[in-house]
Amino acid sequence: GENVEQHPSTLSVQEGDSAVIKCTYSDSASNYFPWYKQELGKRPQLIIDIRSNVGEKKDQRIAVTLNKTAKHFSLHITETQPEDSAVYFCAATLMDSSYKLIFGSGTRLLVRP
Amino acid sequence: NAGVTQTPKFRVLKTGQSMTLLCAQDMNHEYMYWYRQDPGMGLRLIHYSVGEGTTAKGEVPDGYNVSRLKKQNFLLGLESAAPSQTSVYFCASSYTGGANQPQHFGDGTRLSIL
Repeated sequence: GENVEQHPSTLSVQEGDSAVIKCTYSDSASNYFPWYKQELGKRPQLIIDIRSNVGEKKDQRIAVTLNKTAKHFSLHITETQPEDSAVYFCAATLMDSSYKLIFGSGTRLLVRP
Repeated sequence: NAGVTQTPKFRVLKTGQSMTLLCAQDMNHEYMYWYRQDPGMGLRLIHYSVGEGTTAKGEVPDGYNVSRLKKQNFLLGLESAAPSQTSVYFCASSYTGGANQPQHFGDGTRLSIL
């Protein structure tokens, strides 16, 4: 079936450094790719998304890039801060009539002060 | 505007008991989803609904039933709870469910089956 692979599963960086999380997807028709941040015990919250008609999108310290040919997309966090510590999930739309989101397995990001 | 509200927040059940989890959204969203989240496994789709009166199976539907009698509510039922259903359950909704629509999540229900 369709799936989304996410790497790495854990990532530890020093405060101020950059963090990169990568995802690959299998449904070549997918055209919507959101990223969610989930703090411990909280709900997943949308932090940024990208649609297939653009290759990159930025929002302050967060950016997402998309390579449709290679079927992968990445989350970039610059100048990381301790409050960036959380689990991050990528997702891709399943392009059947349901338009379900297929989620990656998550990346636990730890930002060391 | 409360967004997506889930009740209850916590529940402990004994094996074989039944219960219903309620999800309510006030954003006039058409699509609603139930996920379960287990450690290290991300979010897995249980059932979803593309509109009032409709439901469909997701990735892990066995042992669960759902109903969408009203557009704003999506109920998840466990007829005979099993320890394997111990998990955190999240409800989500989106405007049309079509491509390019973000899903908005509730705060989750933490369910333990003894």
